[in-house]
Amino acid sequence: GENVEQHPSTLSVQEGDSAVIKCTYSDSASNYFPWYKQELGKRPQLIIDIRSNVGEKKDQRIAVTLNKTAKHFSLHITETQPEDSAVYFCAASSLGNQFYFGTGTSLTVIP
Amino acid sequence: DTAVSQTPKYLVTQMGNDKSIKCEQNLGHDTMYWYKQDSKKFLKIMFSYNNKELIINETVPNRFSPKSPDKAHLNLHINSLELGDSAVYFCASSQDNILGLADTQYFGPGTRLTVL
Repeated sequence: GENVEQHPSTLSVQEGDSAVIKCTYSDSASNYFPWYKQELGKRPQLIIDIRSNVGEKKDQRIAVTLNKTAKHFSLHITETQPEDSAVYFCAASSLGNQFYFGTGTSLTVIP
Repeated sequence: DTAVSQTPKYLVTQMGNDKSIKCEQNLGHDTMYWYKQDSKKFLKIMFSYNNKELIINETVPNRFSPKSPDKAHLNLHINSLELGDSAVYFCASSQDNILGLADTQYFGPGTRLTVL
């Protein structure tokens, strides 16, 4: 089965700086890579996703890059704000709607 | 309107009891899921289910069983609760892509289960 690794487990940045979270996956058949943000006590919510036929996708301050050859994908948050503080999860999925989640990154943005 | 809802939000029970958590989605999605999030915040898929197939994570004890009365509901029944079952349980749903590819999952608010 798929194995998704996520780094770092914790990340602290100063407000206004950029944050990068990296994930690797093992199954070359995986073709859908969503990123979720989970605030304390809340549900995970999709913030951005990318499919395997695309190398990069951007939505305002958030971007995701995918390297299929190396089997890794990354989340980039620019101009971080305190409200970006949360746990972020990457995930990978192939045909069949099986989702495999990374272990999460706790991001703290210091004002 | 809430897209994916779960009840109850909190569940406190004694070891050995049997309990159920209900999940409903009003998105018309084809596939529903149950996840367990432990104290370390790891999200582990337990089941995915649509009207064609139930996929069970092999690590899930058979004390856990999903029950789907219809396409909009997937309830989680747990027999003989153990201390290690304490966690937050999330229901989720997604629409089947026409090509059979995975698509966005929408999560419910979670049910915090505490086994005493």
